[in-house]
Amino acid sequence: AQRVTQPEKLLSVFKGAPVELKCNYSYSGSPELFWYVQYSRQRLQLLLRHISRESIKGFTADLNKGETSFHLKKPFAQEEDSAMYYCALSHDTGGFKTIFGAGTRLFVKA
Amino acid sequence: EAGVTQFPSHSVIEKGQTVTLRCDPISGHDNLYWYRRVMGKEIKFLLHFVKESKQDESGMPNNRFLAERTGGTYSTLKVQPAELEDSGVYFCASSQAQFPNYGYTFGSGTRLTVV
Repeated sequence: AQRVTQPEKLLSVFKGAPVELKCNYSYSGSPELFWYVQYSRQRLQLLLRHISRESIKGFTADLNKGETSFHLKKPFAQEEDSAMYYCALSHDTGGFKTIFGAGTRLFVKA
Repeated sequence: EAGVTQFPSHSVIEKGQTVTLRCDPISGHDNLYWYRRVMGKEIKFLLHFVKESKQDESGMPNNRFLAERTGGTYSTLKVQPAELEDSGVYFCASSQAQFPNYGYTFGSGTRLTVV
């Protein structure tokens, strides 16, 4: 079965420190991977997707098919990065639903 | 462009009562999705509409949940009768493409509390 695992429920780092939010997935085909973010009192929004290989707000994520991972990284965390982050997987077989991880709450301390 | 709108933002009801959640997708988005996040758990798929047709309703938990999208515009999700385990945040999302490889646009969610 397809699954997305985010092993850390909470990640706390100091401002300026590097941050890595882990995401592992299980899917035998070629999935599309995403990171969504929900800031306090805001709606869930797309942060980035692996197919575009983009950097958004300083965050990047590389799809590693060998390790089935899609970790989210930022070299220098900012206080405004504090939010809930969800890793998600979509695939075009067996329907078009997206599978989400349980989320990691990132807290960036001053 | 207006985003995805959900109503109400919060609802507190007693066990056994009925609640109807509404979602207005972005205009022109044929694909509408319902998801739910139960406290402390992952966001789970409920169902997917393409226009007014149910493309996939494999995530609907049981027959107490009924979703409709008459006319292919807004959608409603009715829970009748509500149980305690139905508490959570219900998200609606829409997309233009059937396969969401560009990601979803989400509504702000409806927080449902069943007491």
